[in-house]
Formats: sequence, C-alpha cells, structure tokens
Amino acid sequence: KAGVTQTPRYLIKTRGQQVTLSCSPISGHRSVSWYQQTPGQGLQFLFEYFSETQRNKGNFPGRFSGRQFSNSRSEMNVSTLELGDSALYLCASRDITYNEQFFGPGTRLTVL
Amino acid sequence: AQSVTQLDSHVSVSEGTPVLLRCNYSSSYSPSLFWYVQHPNKGLQLLLKYTSAATLVKGINGFEAEFKKSETSFHLTKPSAHMSDAAEYFCVVRRMDSSYKLIFGSGTRLLVRP
Repeated sequence: KAGVTQTPRYLIKTRGQQVTLSCSPISGHRSVSWYQQTPGQGLQFLFEYFSETQRNKGNFPGRFSGRQFSNSRSEMNVSTLELGDSALYLCASRDITYNEQFFGPGTRLTVL
Repeated sequence: AQSVTQLDSHVSVSEGTPVLLRCNYSSSYSPSLFWYVQHPNKGLQLLLKYTSAATLVKGINGFEAEFKKSETSFHLTKPSAHMSDAAEYFCVVRRMDSSYKLIFGSGTRLLVRP
C-alpha cells in the first residue's frame, strides 16, 4: 500500500495570505490527523477527522481549519498567515481498528 | 492528563555502543505509549508501541523499550548503535478519550560518532 502523501511538500507565503495543504491517507484509513511541528513548540496536535467529522481540536486559533472528504482525503487551511505559522505540518492516518498512526513526509510552510 | 518528559535533549554515543533514550510518562490510566523516529527532512516513523500486552516491547531496527509502571518510565534502548540511527526520537503518549490524539515529548537528538 502507498503511504500517507502530502502536497505540496514546500510552500512559501507572505503574511496575510491563506494556504491550503492536502493529505491523502493510506488506502482504507478513515481517520486523519494533523500536527504542527516547530522548533520552539515541538509537535502539537491540530485536529482529527473521521468520516468527514472533526472529532477533536487542539489549542490553535480559528484561523486553522480543516475538512475531510468522502474519500478520506483531508485538507487543512490557514487564513491570515502570521510569521509564527512557519512550520512543518504533518498529516497522519489510522485504521481505527489499530492503535497506531502513520505519518506523511510533511509540508514545510515558510511565511515571509 | 497525559504527558511525557524526555530527560535528555541530546545523546551522543559511539558506533557499536549501547543506546539509552529516557522517557517518563504521566497518565491517570493505563497508557498507550510509543516511540517515533524522525530522520532529517523526513516524516515520523513508528519504532514501537506499548499497549499493555507485554512490558518489554520490541520494535524495528533492533530497538526495544521497557514499560515500568513503578517508575513511570518507558526508556528506549538498542544494544549497538549504527550510524544510520542518528536522528531525533520522540516519546509519545496517546490521550485516552474518544478521539485519537498523540502527545509528544520534546524529542531527543541522537548523535552517533564513528
């Protein structure tokens, strides 16, 4: 099976813009989670989606949003970008019958 | 609330010597614990997981970890380090509620000297 794929791998945006990141989970996985990784804050949970419904959300402002489609693919959106949003954004998928997540390679977002 | 503390931000070993990466956890319930590895510019790879079946857990690439409830520890070990083991390692606990949320430690960077 193909692994978790994320597009694009790299993005450069300027402050105030918005961005959309995409994640395709492993075939058959219906749970998709997003994490933000920064040198200062480490790895932090953003949200989890299952069957097109958000199940949990981390402590991030409303500028961070996401959605999941019927084919389990997920997107996350960040509006009104700030310099502090520069990070590696990781997507992870899970087969709900198993207690482990599989991570994609990440999208590195740079905000100038 | 669940949390993990990685006791060392950096560990340096010589190739062929043992590796010990330390992790303490805090959990009100019997926890699900994981170790993930991240190589430079790569995503996270699961090394091993503890889910109460056995206290000594074997993972990939010769790594293993022992769950010690009395010490609230879940240290990662490997008998003999290889150059390819140089990476950042994360101890992780799963938050036990209806969703699936992982809580990551701050990471330990492993340096392997030739």
